[in-house]
Amino acid sequence: QVQLQESGPGLVKPSETLSLTCAVSGYSISSGYYWGWIRQPPGKGLEWIGSIYHSGSTYYNPSLKSRVTISVDTSKNQFSLKLSSVTAADTAVYYCARRDYVSPGHWFDPWGQGTLVTVSS
Amino acid sequence: DIQMTQSPSSLSASVGDRVTITCRASQSISSYLNWYQQKPGKAPKLLIYAASSLQSGVPSRFSGSGSGTDFTLTISSLQPEDFATYYCQQSYSTPHTFGQGTRLEIK
Repeated sequence: QVQLQESGPGLVKPSETLSLTCAVSGYSISSGYYWGWIRQPPGKGLEWIGSIYHSGSTYYNPSLKSRVTISVDTSKNQFSLKLSSVTAADTAVYYCARRDYVSPGHWFDPWGQGTLVTVSS
Repeated sequence: DIQMTQSPSSLSASVGDRVTITCRASQSISSYLNWYQQKPGKAPKLLIYAASSLQSGVPSRFSGSGSGTDFTLTISSLQPEDFATYYCQQSYSTPHTFGQGTRLEIK
């Protein structure tokens, strides 16, 4: 059974960089699939941030592309998110998820439990 | 970006009711449409993928239909555990966009 677990600081100062890691268990990232990050501001809807393949190939939401970096560490079976120059608008619960598929369609399943990141001084 | 619009935004219903939630895409997305259920404080859970395929382990009272721009999620007989927020999501093109959500409440 594939499980994902987010970790990282719960509080980040404005203008600094948000850094989160998603540890994957029950499946080797090296075996395939894309892996993604999705966020949800308190009381609001879901926003896809970006996704990464085990090879390191990435694609990002254009609205965040200039500030986002997603990387993968297959030796630790985890992938990471960095979001730079954060503001209060980046306060959200951040989820990691596997992008499952039956070509050509795809969807996010399973998801991590999510981690709340608050941007505040 | 493809805009996904759900209706209604909120809905009150009773246990045993048949409920339908609609999702409309701003352009044709073929059948690249997924549905998720989210309960308070929890991560979204995949219910339906590719418009009408039921995810393993999801009760058969959930069903999805549609193609092109108009899609529906139907719950045939509401159970107490179904009261939650439901989101549609398109995977036709990037950025992968979600609907704004439909909150299903107990009447």
